[in-house]
Amino acid sequence: AQSVTQLDSQVPVFEEAPVELRCNYSSSVSVYLFWYVQYPNQGLQLLLKYLSGSTLVKGINGFEAEFNKSQTSFHLRKPSVHISDTAEYFCAVSISGTYKYIFGTGTRLKVLA
Amino acid sequence: NAGVTQTPKFRVLKTGQSMTLLCAQDMNHEYMYWYRQDPGMGLRLIHYSVGEGTTAKGEVPDGYNVSRLKKQNFLLGLESAAPSQTSVYFCASSYSRVTAFNQPQHFGDGTRLSIL
Repeated sequence: AQSVTQLDSQVPVFEEAPVELRCNYSSSVSVYLFWYVQYPNQGLQLLLKYLSGSTLVKGINGFEAEFNKSQTSFHLRKPSVHISDTAEYFCAVSISGTYKYIFGTGTRLKVLA
Repeated sequence: NAGVTQTPKFRVLKTGQSMTLLCAQDMNHEYMYWYRQDPGMGLRLIHYSVGEGTTAKGEVPDGYNVSRLKKQNFLLGLESAAPSQTSVYFCASSYSRVTAFNQPQHFGDGTRLSIL
């Protein structure tokens, strides 16, 4: 069975500091990887995706993530966060060739002034 | 371009009442999904559809029914609402399986449902 683990439920960080949000997955078949962001009272918006090719992917708002197949991880990073980055972030995997998407439980990023 | 539109945005029901949540997408997507989001539990799949006229159960289907009579619409019904169904409901859609890679889902803004 496939699963997605986001170990940190909440991450506080000061403005302009770097941040890393961790995501690990488990799957015996090929997967595609996504990070979504959810602002208060809104739906999920795609931040970035890994489908194939370069393992370092860049997304919107200065975020990037690196796919590490050996460690089955897809951690999200930003070198300098802003107050406006305060939101909940979800890691998700899609099982190749199926309808199936599996979401992590989310990480609340709180950027402090 | 509206994307995925959910109606209503908010609703309060009494236990035992029924209601239907509507999801409409204008991107010609084949796949549509209904999720519920509860604190600390992420998104859990209720039902999904891989095309017009077809639906299937997801992870937490009990107490819900769905219909996909038109490709662009996906309806979620609560037959007899229970307090345990208080949640935020999200609809999502994605590209057809004939594309080379699994594409990301597009989400609506959610329906906040309270059952008293």
